[in-house]
Amino acid sequence: AQSVTQLDSQVPVFEEAPVELRCNYSSSVSVYLFWYVQYPNQGLQLLLKYLSGSTLVKGINGFEAEFNKSQTSFHLRKPSVHISDTAEYFCAVFISNFGNEKLTFGTGTRLTIIP
Amino acid sequence: NAGVTQTPKFQVLKTGQSMTLQCAQDMNHNSMYWYRQDPGMGLRLIYYSASEGTTDKGEVPNGYNVSRLNKREFSLRLESAAPSQTSVYFCASSRLTGEGTDTQYFGPGTRLTVL
Repeated sequence: AQSVTQLDSQVPVFEEAPVELRCNYSSSVSVYLFWYVQYPNQGLQLLLKYLSGSTLVKGINGFEAEFNKSQTSFHLRKPSVHISDTAEYFCAVFISNFGNEKLTFGTGTRLTIIP
Repeated sequence: NAGVTQTPKFQVLKTGQSMTLQCAQDMNHNSMYWYRQDPGMGLRLIYYSASEGTTDKGEVPNGYNVSRLNKREFSLRLESAAPSQTSVYFCASSRLTGEGTDTQYFGPGTRLTVL
């Protein structure tokens, strides 16, 4: 079965410190990978996505993620966080498997920035 | 350009009541989706519509019906609400479905409580 795992449900980080939010997926076929962000009381919006090519993907607001096929991971990183980064972050995987294509979301990681 | 809009923003129902959640997009997208978001469970797909005139079940369709009224509008109906349907409901749209490269654009959500 295909799945997405976000191991950390909550991550507190001091302002201006670096952060890494972890995402692992299980699939033996080609995947497309996404990170979405949900600010308080809002819908989700795309942060970045990996489709093909360079394994390091840069997104909005200074975030980046690295696709690691051997470890089936797509961790999200930012070198220096800001108060405005407080939000919930969702990793999502699209798996194309001949009639079973769908976007599957992880359970989310709540990032809290401590002033 | 409003993107994806949802009405209402909040709703409280009693068990057994019915209601329809409305969603509209102005991006000329072909595909539309309904998700529910529950704590610790991420987003789960209820129904989707790949194109005008078609609808398909997602991961958790029981207790719901949908209507793709036209290209812009996709409604979700609860015929007989149950407390287990207390959730935040998100509508989303994308240019195409089955094309995993497409970004999904989300509405602001409807917070539904069933007593």
